[in-house]
Amino acid sequence: KQEVTQIPAALSVPEGENLVLNCSFTDSAIYNLQWFRQDPGKGLTSLLLIQSSQREQTSGRLNASLDKSSGRSTLYIAASQPGDSATYLCAVYGGATNKLIFGTGTLLAVQP
Amino acid sequence: DTGVSQNPRHKITKRGQNVTFRCDPISEHNRLYWYRQTLGQGPEFLTYFQNEAQLEKSRLLSDRFSAERPKGSFSTLEIQRTEQGDSAMYLCASSSRLAGGERETQYFGPGTRLLVL
Repeated sequence: KQEVTQIPAALSVPEGENLVLNCSFTDSAIYNLQWFRQDPGKGLTSLLLIQSSQREQTSGRLNASLDKSSGRSTLYIAASQPGDSATYLCAVYGGATNKLIFGTGTLLAVQP
Repeated sequence: DTGVSQNPRHKITKRGQNVTFRCDPISEHNRLYWYRQTLGQGPEFLTYFQNEAQLEKSRLLSDRFSAERPKGSFSTLEIQRTEQGDSAMYLCASSSRLAGGERETQYFGPGTRLLVL
């Protein structure tokens, strides 16, 4: 059974810092991995999708990497801003199922 | 706006009542998903449609829950005889299958927050 873990559960950083969020998964047979952002009480916004054949994806200040063999992904946020404050969720899509399996998220607070 | 929409955005009901939520996916997407998210947790899969066919259901979806997508467009999720444990955010997502079989990004709606008193 696929399990997704995110560390840390919460993170507070001063504005301008670079930071890394971690995601690990137990079954490496995945099709892709997605990182989402969720603002309080809102739905999910897709940030980056990495196909299983890829090793990283970049969008603006965000860079996500994927190491399937070790079951790990990282989301790197450069030059953090208060507007980046949100919960960041990673999810894997894999095997014979058609569902995303989510981690419990990392709550990020960027202090001005 | 061509994103995923969900109605209502909030629902407060008394225990034992029935509730129904609606999801309108992105128009060209043939796949539709329902997830449930409780406080402090990531979303959990409930069920999935490809066009009008319901192809997968989670064991979280007890017999009090039913989902339909009658014409392969919008979908409804009904909860009968609600219980306090049903209080959660119900999220809908849609996607389309790519030619190579790869899974495309799932696009999520804003969710319906249910509170059962």
